[in-house]
Amino acid sequence: AQKVTQAQTEISVVEKEDVTLDCVYETRDTTYYLFWYKQPPSGELVFLIRRNSFDEQNEISGRYSWNFQKSTSSFNFTITASQVVDSAVYFCALDPEAAGNKLTFGGGTRVLVKP
Amino acid sequence: DAGVIQSPRHEVTEMGQEVTLRCKPISGHNSLFWYRQTMMRGLELLIYFNNNVPIDDSGMPEDRFSAKMPNASFSTLKIQPSEPRDSAVYFCASSMHSAGTEAFFGQGTRLTVV
Repeated sequence: AQKVTQAQTEISVVEKEDVTLDCVYETRDTTYYLFWYKQPPSGELVFLIRRNSFDEQNEISGRYSWNFQKSTSSFNFTITASQVVDSAVYFCALDPEAAGNKLTFGGGTRVLVKP
Repeated sequence: DAGVIQSPRHEVTEMGQEVTLRCKPISGHNSLFWYRQTMMRGLELLIYFNNNVPIDDSGMPEDRFSAKMPNASFSTLKIQPSEPRDSAVYFCASSMHSAGTEAFFGQGTRLTVV
């Protein structure tokens, strides 16, 4: 069975602070994919980033960066220099290769960026 | 591309009534998913189609729920009869059936059963 845990339910920061969101996953599959999605107040789910289990290289894309550590089954996500528009619920999701794109979501972390 | 289109955006219905939610996936995508989002249970996968065929409906809560995909451009999720505990946001998503491809979500249908 697959499981994704986002221990932080809510994070509040002041604009321009960095925000790191934690994600821990469980799977028996050796090949899998990890995602981060954003759900702004308008309600839709927006794809942000993807990482496969064979690529532990951490990357930066604009103000987003992620830290994938297979040894600890963690896939953390950082927003640098947060902005008010970053206020949203962020979901980590797991897609084991054998599952055929079926996503298992974590419970989400609500980020509130105050001006 | 217009993205995944769901209708209606909001639905309020009385307990016992039939509810039909609709979804138009992104053209060219061959996988379609129905998810439900509630405060208590978060985002749950209800059913998954590949090439219009239901592959996994293990997430469908009970027989009151049914889903169809008569063609590549349309899917429905029906609840009959509806109950207050069905109140949730229902999302439709589509993707290419390839390992690791991202799913694109519709804006969701907020269902309230009173």
